[in-house]
Amino acid sequence: SQQGEEDPQALSIQEGENATMNCSYKTSINNLQWYRQNSGRGLVHLILIRSNEREKHSGRLRVTLDTSKKSSSLLITASRAADTASYFCATGARYSTLTFGKGTMLLVSP
Amino acid sequence: NAGVTQTPKFQVLKTGQSMTLQCAQDMNHNSMYWYRQDPGMGLRLIYYSASEGTTDKGEVPNGYNVSRLNKREFSLRLESAAPSQTSVYFCASSTGLRGNTEAFFGQGTRLTVV
Repeated sequence: SQQGEEDPQALSIQEGENATMNCSYKTSINNLQWYRQNSGRGLVHLILIRSNEREKHSGRLRVTLDTSKKSSSLLITASRAADTASYFCATGARYSTLTFGKGTMLLVSP
Repeated sequence: NAGVTQTPKFQVLKTGQSMTLQCAQDMNHNSMYWYRQDPGMGLRLIYYSASEGTTDKGEVPNGYNVSRLNKREFSLRLESAAPSQTSVYFCASSTGLRGNTEAFFGQGTRLTVV
């Protein structure tokens, strides 16, 4: 069964606004990754955060991880129309392969 | 760089027909995966291969078989297609197995079983 659950399922914002997506998971993990999927395309890796890290940045992306709450968030600052996509969290653990959530659909309107 | 290449991109099958989805990676990755993606379900793991010569079942293996032909290639076979197997199939590869490195995905195969 899926490990991660993204929230919200869908998010609609205006260009320039920030977008925040959350991911909750059930069991202990070694690391957590975020992926983007443009419509009709494969997934593209965005960022990986390890269980001993609390925050990580990559360009306009900021990821936080709270292992005590078993949750992570992805913040996209100053959103652009090109950020319109589905975003997935994926967890890695000692005895399991990479397991994906159901995703958040982000729509950024010009 | 090609990365992960899947063929075909689209396929329509009749119920009961068989087919093989091909996947090849040129990144010298040890681990390869097959996922299916259905609306509202996210990605679910069908089979994976930790290294050349090994394969293991994932979350939804029924109705599928796989072959890790060599380090580069990992194929998915549907022996007798069913409408429930209508889905988008993604192949992926990574250096490590436990999600400790990023995974690279192919562009997907959109399969319709009628």
